[in-house]
Amino acid sequence: DIQMTQSPSSLSASVGDRVTITCRASQSISTYLNWYQQKPGKAPKLLIYAASSLQSGVPSRFSGSGSGTDFTLTISSLQPEDFAAYYCQQTYSILGMFGQGTKVEIK
Amino acid sequence: EVQLVETGGGLIQPGGSLRLSCAASGFTVSSNYMTWVRQAPGKGLEWVSVIYSGGSTYYADAVKGRFTISRDNSKNTLYLQMNSLRAEDTAVYYCARGLVGATPFLDYWGQGTLVTVSS
Repeated sequence: DIQMTQSPSSLSASVGDRVTITCRASQSISTYLNWYQQKPGKAPKLLIYAASSLQSGVPSRFSGSGSGTDFTLTISSLQPEDFAAYYCQQTYSILGMFGQGTKVEIK
Repeated sequence: EVQLVETGGGLIQPGGSLRLSCAASGFTVSSNYMTWVRQAPGKGLEWVSVIYSGGSTYYADAVKGRFTISRDNSKNTLYLQMNSLRAEDTAVYYCARGLVGATPFLDYWGQGTLVTVSS
């Protein structure tokens, strides 16, 4: 199975900060990498697919990059509604494993 | 409008069985791949199972041999039959629609249904 490792597991940031979350795959997955946002008590929401494509309706302050084994989700200017958990997911293999998540908290 | 509504969760004793349903509207379940994802209390997302448009099914090792994914095309509904339930199966179970563009991704999710396995 392909394992996905996110870092950090949590971070504290202020409104307006630039935030970067990384995701590493245990083997090359090309650009078969998606990012989801989840707020407490809610279902996950797709932000980024194919490593860098922004899902329709998602603010442009969210961006994704990377290929192979190393990927990054960047929030260019953190907004109050962005405090949430973020998960990466690989879909290179049939078993679409998720990373363990990164919780973005208010500083 | 695409909607997914899960039902069927509840409290069940270890060793018991439960069937979750995911009623879809706004699209055809059999034309997409559909996935079940779960989330234990306070934990992260865990991929559980997938059924492709052609009918092929796959499972995470943790549920293989105990869970069965299926769909009823006439009802446009996805199911997850869960047998031999264990305490570690306690989680919110989400169904999600998969799309295959340049790469596969899950674009719509249901609100989730809570399964609690406890005596």
